[in-house]
Amino acid sequence: DIQMTQSPSSLSASVGDRVTITCRASQGISNSLAWYQQKPGKAPKLLLYAASRLESGVPSRFSGSGFGTDYTLTISSLQPEDFATYFCQQYYSTPQRTFGQGTKVEIK
Amino acid sequence: EVQLVESGGGLVQPGGSLRLSCAASGFTFSSYEMNWVRQAPGKGLEWVSYISSSGSIIDYVDSVKGRFTISRDSAKNSLYLQMNSLRAEDTAVYYCARGSSWDYWGQGTLVTVSS
Repeated sequence: DIQMTQSPSSLSASVGDRVTITCRASQGISNSLAWYQQKPGKAPKLLLYAASRLESGVPSRFSGSGFGTDYTLTISSLQPEDFATYFCQQYYSTPQRTFGQGTKVEIK
Repeated sequence: EVQLVESGGGLVQPGGSLRLSCAASGFTFSSYEMNWVRQAPGKGLEWVSYISSSGSIIDYVDSVKGRFTISRDSAKNSLYLQMNSLRAEDTAVYYCARGSSWDYWGQGTLVTVSS
């Protein structure tokens, strides 16, 4: 199984801050990585796929990068609606996909 | 508009059974592979099961193999998850997710396994 290690598990930030979340795979996943945003009581929402491709309708302040085993999600200027939990997901071993543990972004 | 609506969750005793449904609309259901994903209370996400668009390829996470069965009915635009021999650790919100990109998810249905 491919394990995904996501960090940090939580962070506090202010509106306007630049935020970076990282995800490390236990083996190379060839950019087969997606990022999701989840708000309390709601289903996850797809933000990016193929490590860096923005899903339609997602604001451009969200970006992704990385290769091999290490990937990052960056929010360039945090907005009030961005306070949520973020998950990475590898789909290199599809259909058996695994998620990172999640990063909760809270208001400082 | 693409919609996925799960139903069938509830409270069940350990060892019991439940059948979850996911009603799809707004897209050609028969053209899409589908997945079940779960999230235990306050925890992360776990992929549970996959079924190809034709239903010919099926897969499960190891922890549910032999207990859960995924199926689909394209005539009814519906996805199912038959869950038998339920355990406390199966307690979670269960979501269905569409396609290879998982671009649409349902709102989830809560399964609670407790005596």
